Amino acid sequence: KAGVTQTPRYLIKTRGQQVTLSCSPISGHRSVSWYQQTPGQGLQFLFEYFSETQRNKGNFPGRFSGRQFSNSRSEMNVSTLELGDSALYLCASSIIAGGSGNEQFFGPGTRLTVL
Amino acid sequence: AQKVTQAQTEISVVEKEDVTLDCVYETRDTTYYLFWYKQPPSGELVFLIRRNSFDEQNEISGRYSWNFQKSTSSFNFTITASQVVDSAVYFCALSEAGYGGSQGNLIFGKGTKLSVKP
Repeated sequence: KAGVTQTPRYLIKTRGQQVTLSCSPISGHRSVSWYQQTPGQGLQFLFEYFSETQRNKGNFPGRFSGRQFSNSRSEMNVSTLELGDSALYLCASSIIAGGSGNEQFFGPGTRLTVL
Repeated sequence: AQKVTQAQTEISVVEKEDVTLDCVYETRDTTYYLFWYKQPPSGELVFLIRRNSFDEQNEISGRYSWNFQKSTSSFNFTITASQVVDSAVYFCALSEAGYGGSQGNLIFGKGTKLSVKP
């Protein structure tokens, strides 16, 4: 079974631009969560999508948004990029929604650099 | 409030030494789950173990073992006879069942960077 895939793996953008990251979950998994990892803040939860609905959202500004498609693939979008948005963005998939203790399987991440 | 604390930022050991990574958590939920993940230099988080709040049995998997103690809110991870390949950042994480308002997302500690030298 293929694991979680994320594209692109690396991205360089400039301040003010917007960016879209993509995540394909493990086949059969319906929940996709996104996390931001920075040296200063560590791993922080962005949002979770389940059956095309945003189920849960972390404490991030509205510039961070996402969506999930009927095939469970998910995208996250960051508009008006700031230098502080430079981070590793990790996507995780699980069979069912969070709260049930199910394992979340992580992708390799997208390394975003904002110049 | 939910919180996970990994007090050890970095640990360095010599191969074959045993090492314990500490994890202390805070939650008001009575039903919750604890996890350990490993992040090698490649960046991908690798799932190691999950424990629910009702199961305090220690677990051993090869050279890895976990000690869960609700009385001290700790979920410590021990690597026996460490190897160079164990070098990575290890994260402890908490997920609540959601009865306290949380929706079950993972709350991570800051991680412990383990370096195993030959």
